[in-house]
Amino acid sequence: EAGVTQFPSHSVIEKGQTVTLRCDPISGHDNLYWYRRVMGKEIKFLLHFVKESKQDESGMPNNRFLAERTGGTYSTLKVQPAELEDSGVYFCASSLGGRYNEQFFGPGTRLTVL
Amino acid sequence: GENVEQHPSTLSVQEGDSAVIKCTYSDSASNYFPWYKQELGKRPQLIIDIRSNVGEKKDQRIAVTLNKTAKHFSLHITETQPEDSAVYFCAARNQAGTALIFGKGTTLSVSS
Repeated sequence: EAGVTQFPSHSVIEKGQTVTLRCDPISGHDNLYWYRRVMGKEIKFLLHFVKESKQDESGMPNNRFLAERTGGTYSTLKVQPAELEDSGVYFCASSLGGRYNEQFFGPGTRLTVL
Repeated sequence: GENVEQHPSTLSVQEGDSAVIKCTYSDSASNYFPWYKQELGKRPQLIIDIRSNVGEKKDQRIAVTLNKTAKHFSLHITETQPEDSAVYFCAARNQAGTALIFGKGTTLSVSS
């Protein structure tokens, strides 16, 4: 069974540009999460989808970040315009429904904003 | 909101020694505590988890303990091996949501 996949693995952009990250969850997982790790700090929650609906977006830092999950399958996270402080590793995770179900992580996208 | 503190940030042990990583959480409603291991260049992977109705859980060389009164939980690795070298993250999830709140991670180095 394929795990959570993310694209691209790395992205280097200049301040002010736009970047779109993609996440493909494990097939059948209704729950999809985005997290971010800034260097040396904790993995921080950004938002949570249940199917195509945003269940919790309390971790989104500001309105430069837009997440979508059309059709309830893959998800995209767009940063527009990117700022220097947006650099970090963006992780996607997915899980089955239920309170104690394991969240399976993707390999992450390393974003560098110059 | 929920806050998770993790210590130490780095830990170096000799092969065969034990390693202990400690975490504290702030939200008394938290009811699920997973531990993730991230090897260099790889994705975080769940290694063990514990629910709030259990005080201890073991899986081979790995164990986790939970003290709900003190709001802290710990990861214990016995008979460490070089392949245990990785960054370990503790996390807590509260009853209200599904988001995991992570600690800052512990870099464990096991030397042979």
